Amino acid sequence: GAVVSQHPSWVICKSGTSVKIECRSLDFQATTMFWYRQFPKQSLMLMATSNEGSKATYEQGVEKDKFLINHASLTLSTLTVTSAHPEDSSFYICSATDRGDEQYFGPGTRLTVT
Amino acid sequence: QKEVEQNSGPLSVPEGAIASLNCTYSDRGSQSFFWYRQYSGKSPELIMSIYSNGDKEDGRFTAQLNKASQYVSLLIRDSQPSDSATYLCAARNSGGSNYKLTFGKGTLLTVNP
Repeated sequence: GAVVSQHPSWVICKSGTSVKIECRSLDFQATTMFWYRQFPKQSLMLMATSNEGSKATYEQGVEKDKFLINHASLTLSTLTVTSAHPEDSSFYICSATDRGDEQYFGPGTRLTVT
Repeated sequence: QKEVEQNSGPLSVPEGAIASLNCTYSDRGSQSFFWYRQYSGKSPELIMSIYSNGDKEDGRFTAQLNKASQYVSLLIRDSQPSDSATYLCAARNSGGSNYKLTFGKGTLLTVNP
């Protein structure tokens, strides 16, 4: 149980375009989902917390207009990187929890912006 | 600022030995603690959670929690080369209901055959 999927697993896009990443909880209802970013050899950086049906709460320094998060249902959250630039290239990982303490991570999406 | 501190390592142990990973946290109100394993290029995988003082064992893994000392540890018995990974310690922040975790920077463990 407690499986979280992400799609796509990797994506290459051109500078200035937008990319959408999906995060799904497959066997439980995720009341809260989290979006993280991880640069090579660095730790996880929390970008935002999203609750189903509510606006996402962004961490300090994360541009909410650039990283659009939608948590439309109890099993799906999406992160859209708008007007992507090469510095946005990173490993984006979502996690989900079902009111328990434990967060379960998706497999991650590797974004490369050229 | 709520912080979780870990030795970055690398920690190198021979196969079959006990690997000991340590973590301290600053938020005295934290009640829930987690150990995640992250292989290179992969996302974190939950391996242990602990909520009460004392030891919690699961197979070759034992988590230890001492809230008075604000200290969490993970012991891996009979270490295997497949245990080589970065181990992340996390604490759930006290206050609020958003289940947000604070992660340490991770300890890189290498198990040598």
